[in-house]
Amino acid sequence: DGGITQSPKYLFRKEGQNVTLSCEQNLNHDAMYWYRQDPGQGLRLIYYSQIVNDFQKGDIAEGYSVSREKKESFPLTVTSAQKNPTAFYLCASSIKVETEAFFGQGTRLTVV
Amino acid sequence: AQSVTQPDIHITVSEGASLELRCNYSYGATPYLFWYVQSPGQGLQLLLKYFSGDTLVQGIKGFEAEFKRSQSSFNLRKPSVHWSDAAEYFCAVARAAGNKLTFGGGTRVLVKP
Repeated sequence: DGGITQSPKYLFRKEGQNVTLSCEQNLNHDAMYWYRQDPGQGLRLIYYSQIVNDFQKGDIAEGYSVSREKKESFPLTVTSAQKNPTAFYLCASSIKVETEAFFGQGTRLTVV
Repeated sequence: AQSVTQPDIHITVSEGASLELRCNYSYGATPYLFWYVQSPGQGLQLLLKYFSGDTLVQGIKGFEAEFKRSQSSFNLRKPSVHWSDAAEYFCAVARAAGNKLTFGGGTRVLVKP
């Protein structure tokens, strides 16, 4: 089945550690996105990529980094510079940036 | 900058009653419009979309939405809600081709038995 796979579903991190969230899609989509969702808030865009080897900062990129070496993969690294990383992270992809986005099931990151 | 407003943070509705969720956007041109639904701890699922043409759009799960250019609105409706419709609903807008989606803050729907 075609879709977007995020892993792991739950992730725990110690303060000061970097951690990488995985996102893979087999929909042959050009665009991919990372969103952060906090309780009672909407989706905030962290980074997005319109094509392989290219990506742009979203609204809250500080403390995060991404790469897009392959069309199907868009991993997100939460660095130690992110002061409040505990949140629900959603990855999405779309054919083009203005078309409907398809979402993964999310990764819940908790700093312990 | 583009913005999307969902004025209602929470809505409580009785099972079997009708539901309407409001969405307003902030620019004059006709954008690309979307409604998504999110169950707790899950990703978002697309309910329906509007790009052009007929202003009344049918979606999945019995939902429909109407685009009103004069009011810059794209409200979501369902004639009779089911307990399984309890979820959070997000409106999203892309200003034009080549512009990424902007999401509203969401509306949480609670369904009373």
